[in-house]
Amino acid sequence: DTAVSQTPKYLVTQMGNDKSIKCEQNLGHDTMYWYKQDSKKFLKIMFSYNNKELIINETVPNRFSPKSPDKAHLNLHINSLELGDSAVYFCASSPSIQTGPNTEAFFGQGTRLTVV
Amino acid sequence: SQQGEEDPQALSIQEGENATMNCSYKTSINNLQWYRQNSGRGLVHLILIRSNEREKHSGRLRVTLDTSKKSSSLLITASRAADTASYFCATDGTSYGKLTFGQGTILTVHP
Repeated sequence: DTAVSQTPKYLVTQMGNDKSIKCEQNLGHDTMYWYKQDSKKFLKIMFSYNNKELIINETVPNRFSPKSPDKAHLNLHINSLELGDSAVYFCASSPSIQTGPNTEAFFGQGTRLTVV
Repeated sequence: SQQGEEDPQALSIQEGENATMNCSYKTSINNLQWYRQNSGRGLVHLILIRSNEREKHSGRLRVTLDTSKKSSSLLITASRAADTASYFCATDGTSYGKLTFGQGTILTVHP
C-alpha cells in the first residue's frame, strides 16, 4: 500500500483553467503538507494542516486553496492557472505535531503540473 | 527565504568511493533532516539529527551537525550506482514540522 498517494501524477492544462490535486495518506498521521518544487528543484512549503485545521499558510496566491475533508486527505485546488504555476507539487504527512517536532515527513510521488 | 545552502551542487564519483555533501543554514533549528529524491520521484527520508546531537549513523550514512557553524554534512560510504539521486537537507525550526529545504546536491555514481 502506498503511504502517501497523490493524483494525478501528471496534469497538463491551459492557462485560466481550474484544477485540483488530491492527496491521501494511510499512515494515521494528523499533519499534512503541500510543497512546491520549481524547475530548479527548489522545494518550498505552501500549506500545512493539522487534524483538518490550517496551521501554515505561506505567501501563496489566493488562487491556491487547500481543503482537508478529513485528516487523511488534503486536496489542493488551483484557480485561474498561470504559466508560472508549472511545477511539481508534493503532498507530505507527518505524525501529530503534538508529539513534538522531531519527526520525519513522508512524501507522495508528486504531481507534475504543466500550464500551457 | 531559502534556509539551506548545499555544497556542492553536483558531485560525480565512481562506485566504491565516498560522497560528502554539505549543508548550511541560517536560523536556529529543532532538527536537520536529509532526504533523497530519485529522478521523477518523491522524497525519501534518510536520517534526522536533533539540534543537541553532533553525529548520527544509519547504515552507510553518517551525518554530522555543527550548530555553532550552522552546518551539517552527509557522508555516504562505499557508494553504489543506486545511490545516484538528488540529496536535500531540510531544517525544522518550528513546533509544527515545517521543513525548509536546501537546493540539493545532485549525486552521480558511475558503475
